[in-house]
Amino acid sequence: RKEVEQDPGPFNVPEGATVAFNCTYSNSASQSFFWYRQDCRKEPKLLMSVYSSGNEDGRFTAQLNRASQYISLLIRDSKLSDSATYLCVVNRGTGANNLFFGTGTRLTVIP
Amino acid sequence: DAGVTQSPTHLIKTRGQHVTLRCSPISGHKSVSWYQQVLGQGPQFIFQYYEKEERGRGNFPDRFSARQFPNYSSELNVNALLLGDSALYLCASSFSGGVGQPQHFGDGTRLSIL
Repeated sequence: RKEVEQDPGPFNVPEGATVAFNCTYSNSASQSFFWYRQDCRKEPKLLMSVYSSGNEDGRFTAQLNRASQYISLLIRDSKLSDSATYLCVVNRGTGANNLFFGTGTRLTVIP
Repeated sequence: DAGVTQSPTHLIKTRGQHVTLRCSPISGHKSVSWYQQVLGQGPQFIFQYYEKEERGRGNFPDRFSARQFPNYSSELNVNALLLGDSALYLCASSFSGGVGQPQHFGDGTRLSIL
């Protein structure tokens, strides 16, 4: 079983739509959780950390459910510039700060 | 301030050759990690270094090695290159390398093996 699993999409949504991405992780000892964004042929960029209480950054809301080992990202009022691949990322917390990435979910926002 | 810088940006090698990739972390960051990203997949962890010591190693063969220098820059070496080593190699830095510290990625080195 993969460490982190995501629906690869693609998700094609109109501008202004709300879209949600989900991912699950297999290691219950995982301690830190992130969403990264990756544009085509570019490096991953940290979008936001994910906390147990849930957190929001502008149009972006992240949720963590430790009992279900489930992480979500909600994007409201989608913009064309939101088109990218969204990577769900988990850190096991075993000493090394090594990140486990999902395969990513591709989002295209359509005018 | 400069972000994470990697060199070269692109590289073409043939099977059996070796390659050295270089990374300079964000100023003040003491930890460097290396990742391999194959097309269509998420990055996969190779190594983490902190204060010149290896802190973690992913599931990669011994052909892959790395080191960190006193100025916190790092090199990734790959010997006996295989076609399957073709990928984007990403370097990421963090302040102390502690668990949960956000990592910031460089633009990567795109390695093609012919």
